[in-house]
Amino acid sequence: DTAVSQTPKYLVTQMGNDKSIKCEQNLGHDTMYWYKQDSKKFLKIMFSYNNKELIINETVPNRFSPKSPDKAHLNLHINSLELGDSAVYFCASSQTRTSATNEKLFFGSGTQLSVL
Amino acid sequence: DQQVKQNSPSLSVQEGRISILNCDYTNSMFDYFLWYKKYPAEGPTFLISISSIKDKNEDGRFTVFLNKSAKHLSLHIVPSQPGDSAVYFCAASEVRGSTLGRLYFGRGTQLTVWP
Repeated sequence: DTAVSQTPKYLVTQMGNDKSIKCEQNLGHDTMYWYKQDSKKFLKIMFSYNNKELIINETVPNRFSPKSPDKAHLNLHINSLELGDSAVYFCASSQTRTSATNEKLFFGSGTQLSVL
Repeated sequence: DQQVKQNSPSLSVQEGRISILNCDYTNSMFDYFLWYKKYPAEGPTFLISISSIKDKNEDGRFTVFLNKSAKHLSLHIVPSQPGDSAVYFCAASEVRGSTLGRLYFGRGTQLTVWP
C-alpha cells in the first residue's frame, strides 16, 4: 500500500526512443508533480498538476509531456530520448492548503533513466 | 543560479553526538523551509519544516533553526543514531506566491553516523 508509486524503477533505453514513466498516489491528494534529479544531485521541479490541470511547467523541452488522466495519476512521456535525459525522475504529490504553511510533498521512490 | 545551497556534501558524526547540517538561501521571498531525508533507492521523505515567522522548530531529536537576516538555516540532530545516516536535503518555497508546490532544493548532505 505504497503512498506514491512509480514504475518502472529502472529504465535503460537507446537514444531516440520514446518512453513513459507512470505514477499513482493513493493519498487522496489533489496535486502531483514530476521532479528531476540530475547528475549533480540537484532536485528540480518539471511539472505540477492540480486536479488534472497543469499548474507549473518549467523550462523543459517539449519532448517531455505529462499526462494526468485523473487526480491520482500523473504519467510522464518522453519522446526522442537524448543522452542528457539520463537522471532520476521523482513523482510526488501533496494536498493543497490555504494556511500559512506550504504543502508537504510525498515522493515516490524514483525512476532511474539511463539513455545509451 | 542555485537559490538553495548546501555547501557540505558530507558530514561524519559519531553516534550520540550532535549532527549539524547547514543550508543557505539567496531568495529573500522564501518564507517556508523544509528538510527532507533520503535513503538510497528511495524517494525523499519529509522530516521537519519551519515558517519564516519562527526561528526555531523542534520535533523530537530534530530541531531546525532559521536565521532570516543571514538567510541561513540549520538542522540539528541530537543525539545522532546510525539510522540517521542518509542524504539530507534542504528545500525552500514561497507560500504566498503562485508557486504551488514549487520547492527549491539544495544538493543534499550525506550524513554518516558511525558507532
